[in-house]
This record gives sequence, structure tokens and C-alpha cells, in this order.
Amino acid sequence: GNSVTQMEGPVTLSEEAFLTINCTYTATGYPSLFWYVQYPGEGLQLLLKATKADDKGSNKGFEATYRKETTSFHLEKGSVQVSDSAVYFCALSDPYNFNKFYFGSGTKLNVKP
Amino acid sequence: DTAVSQTPKYLVTQMGNDKSIKCEQNLGHDTMYWYKQDSKKFLKIMFSYNNKELIINETVPNRFSPKSPDKAHLNLHINSLELGDSAVYFCASSQDGLGQETQYFGPGTRLLVL
Repeated sequence: GNSVTQMEGPVTLSEEAFLTINCTYTATGYPSLFWYVQYPGEGLQLLLKATKADDKGSNKGFEATYRKETTSFHLEKGSVQVSDSAVYFCALSDPYNFNKFYFGSGTKLNVKP
Repeated sequence: DTAVSQTPKYLVTQMGNDKSIKCEQNLGHDTMYWYKQDSKKFLKIMFSYNNKELIINETVPNRFSPKSPDKAHLNLHINSLELGDSAVYFCASSQDGLGQETQYFGPGTRLLVL
């Protein structure tokens, strides 16, 4: 079946530190991959996405590359800010049932000034 | 204008009661979803509708009944509420449900069953 596994949090970093949040997936076929971010008390917002192997999604300084060989979609940012503190979710869409999405359990990021 | 709105934002109720959560999107999207987020932040799809037609029903108890009067609205009715139903429920929409497009989420409804 399809599933997404994320590194457990919380992840605590100082401002301007480098961020990596690991995400690996299991899927048949070629899913689209997503990172969503959830700020406290709000719904999820799309951060970035990649729809095929070797694609790189990027937004607001965050990047993730679709790696088919390692079934990974790790999220990175070179220099985090306090305002990046949130919960980050990795997700995939079922390649054979487009209306179905699978989310990871979320990784909470705390950035200290 | 809020793209995806949900009401109410908070819902506190007793076990055994029946309650409804409403969702509306003004994005002109064809597909809408209900998700449940548990206390550990784990997010799981419950239902998906495309143009008012049920597409996904993820082994959710029969006490949960979605209704889509038109493609801009997807409501969730819950009968005989149980303690385990306490969670945050998110509504979302996407353009055409083809798997690559962005989902837009509402702010969530925090349900607490006492």
C-alpha cells in the first residue's frame, strides 16, 4: 500500500541554522509528492510539490527533490527563521486513485531566536 | 474572502449527540475532501467528493455522513458522537482531483466530545 514516513519531531534549531526534515514514501507507480505547512491554529498550506522523478520543488527558501531511487522527498532550507516555526507534513497522491492523498505524521519545527 | 471556510470553528458536545460541520469553498473547485487530524497531528482522509459525487470513503463508521448539496459545499454530519471522535476536522478542495494540484484547506473544526 501507500504510506509516508517522516522523521519524528520536534526539531529545535537556532535562527539561521540549516534544516533537513526527512521524508520517505512507499507507493506503487509514480505518485506526486508534496510538502504542506501548518501554522498554529490554522489549516495546512502547500509549501512545495514535485510531480515526477528528479523534479525539485521550491518555495520561500525551502527545497525538496523527488528521488525515485531512494523513495525520498527530504525538505531543506539553508537558513531558518523564527517565522518558520510550524508543523511540516509530507504527502503523496495515490497514482491510481487521484482523489486519495496520504500524509505523514508531521514534524514540528521550533526555531529559537 | 476566505477560500475554504468551515463552521463552527469549535464544537464541544456530549457523547451520544448528533452534530454537523459545514464547509464552503469559493474557488470554483470540483473536488472537496474531509480529513481527520488526531491529537498526534496524524492526518487521514475520510471522504472525497467530485462534482457532488462520492469518490472516496475511507472505512469511516456509518455514523459519519457527508453531504454535498452543490460542488461548493461539503457538509459532515456525525451521529451518536463518541469520545474517540474528538479531533480536528479539516475540509479541503482542489481544482479537479487529478492528484497533482494543490489542496486548499479550511481552518479546521476542533471537536471535543465529553
